[in-house]
Amino acid sequence: KAGVTQTPRYLIKTRGQQVTLSCSPISGHRSVSWYQQTPGQGLQFLFEYFSETQRNKGNFPGRFSGRQFSNSRSEMNVSTLELGDSALYLCASSLDDEQFFGPGTRLTVL
Amino acid sequence: GENVEQHPSTLSVQEGDSAVIKCTYSDSASNYFPWYKQELGKGPQLIIDIRSNVGEKKDQRIAVTLNKTAKHFSLHITETQPEDSAVYFCAASPRDKVIFGPGTSLSVIP
Repeated sequence: KAGVTQTPRYLIKTRGQQVTLSCSPISGHRSVSWYQQTPGQGLQFLFEYFSETQRNKGNFPGRFSGRQFSNSRSEMNVSTLELGDSALYLCASSLDDEQFFGPGTRLTVL
Repeated sequence: GENVEQHPSTLSVQEGDSAVIKCTYSDSASNYFPWYKQELGKGPQLIIDIRSNVGEKKDQRIAVTLNKTAKHFSLHITETQPEDSAVYFCAASPRDKVIFGPGTSLSVIP
């Protein structure tokens, strides 16, 4: 069974630009969660999607948004990038409680 | 608010010794407690989990204990090996969220 895949793996952007990250969950998993990981803040929950609906949301500004498609694939978008958005963005898919993480997308904002 | 504390933040052990990582959580509604191992350049990997109706669970060299009254749970790794070196995260799940601890960097010295 294929694991969670995330694209791209690495991304370099400049301040003010926007970025879209993609996540393909494990086949059959309908829930996709997104996390931001930084050395200072650890793993911070962004949002969770289930059956194309946002089910839960963390404490991030509105510049961070996401969506989920009918095939459970999910995208997250960050607009007006700031230097502090540099982080590893992780996606996790789940069937029930257990979450399975992808390798992440390393975003660097210059 | 919801919070998970984790100690120690760094841990060095000799190969063959045991390692113990301890976590506390604040939300008494938490009923699922997973542990993740994250190696350099990879996403977190679920290594063991425990639910609130169980006090202890073991899987080969790894065991987890849960004290719901004290809101404590711990990870025990016996007979440590160099490949156990990684960052370990505990988490607690109240309702539909997963709250992560800040992580423990474990180094196993050959």
